[in-house]
Amino acid sequence: GAVVSQHPSRVICKSGTSVKIECRSLDFQATTMFWYRQFPKQSLMLMATSNEGSKATYEQGVEKDKFLINHASLTLSTLTVTSAHPEDSSFYICSAEGTGTRAEAFFGQGTRLTVV
Amino acid sequence: QKEVEQNSGPLSVPEGAIASLNCTYSDRVSQSFFWYRQYSGKSPELIMSIYSNGDKEDGRFTAQLNKASQYVSLLIRDSQPSDSATYLCAVMDSNYQLIWGAGTKLIIKP
Repeated sequence: GAVVSQHPSRVICKSGTSVKIECRSLDFQATTMFWYRQFPKQSLMLMATSNEGSKATYEQGVEKDKFLINHASLTLSTLTVTSAHPEDSSFYICSAEGTGTRAEAFFGQGTRLTVV
Repeated sequence: QKEVEQNSGPLSVPEGAIASLNCTYSDRVSQSFFWYRQYSGKSPELIMSIYSNGDKEDGRFTAQLNKASQYVSLLIRDSQPSDSATYLCAVMDSNYQLIWGAGTKLIIKP
């Protein structure tokens, strides 16, 4: 299957600072990537759909000014959590999906963000 | 609103027995169905995909799809402690977007 690399795997930051998470597709071109957030013992929650060369599409309730998404190339999407607060502490996962009706999702390793 | 429903569990199964995980979905036009396994603190990984009614077998795993009943299941034969994880059901909707279930926590008891 395809390989998606996400970095960093863990980050601890101070409240009020910003954190950037990178998601790279290593062996294919991903015109669309997805960013999820997962709180403990809960399912994946789609935050936004990242489109190469255009603005991201955010899900209802997700602040676009707080969670900045950039998809500047076909292999790289970044999520920046701006002015992080403790309630932003979560597991953030990116994925790239194939095209067509049989598309499956390939996930990055995830980033455990802890805001102190 | 399109929904994918799973029993959150935990589902406890003795080692060596068959684990049966179930999922129902609301979008009748869905065509693609996936089962993902997620270990604690890790990202989901694809276990099975199924697109047609009936059974699909891959090693110890069997996915079953019944589109008329809007039901998809995953059977794990000869369950091992390493199968203990959360299993996520995902359904692709008519907009080619994956809709995720909340996951079922499976515990295999040695």
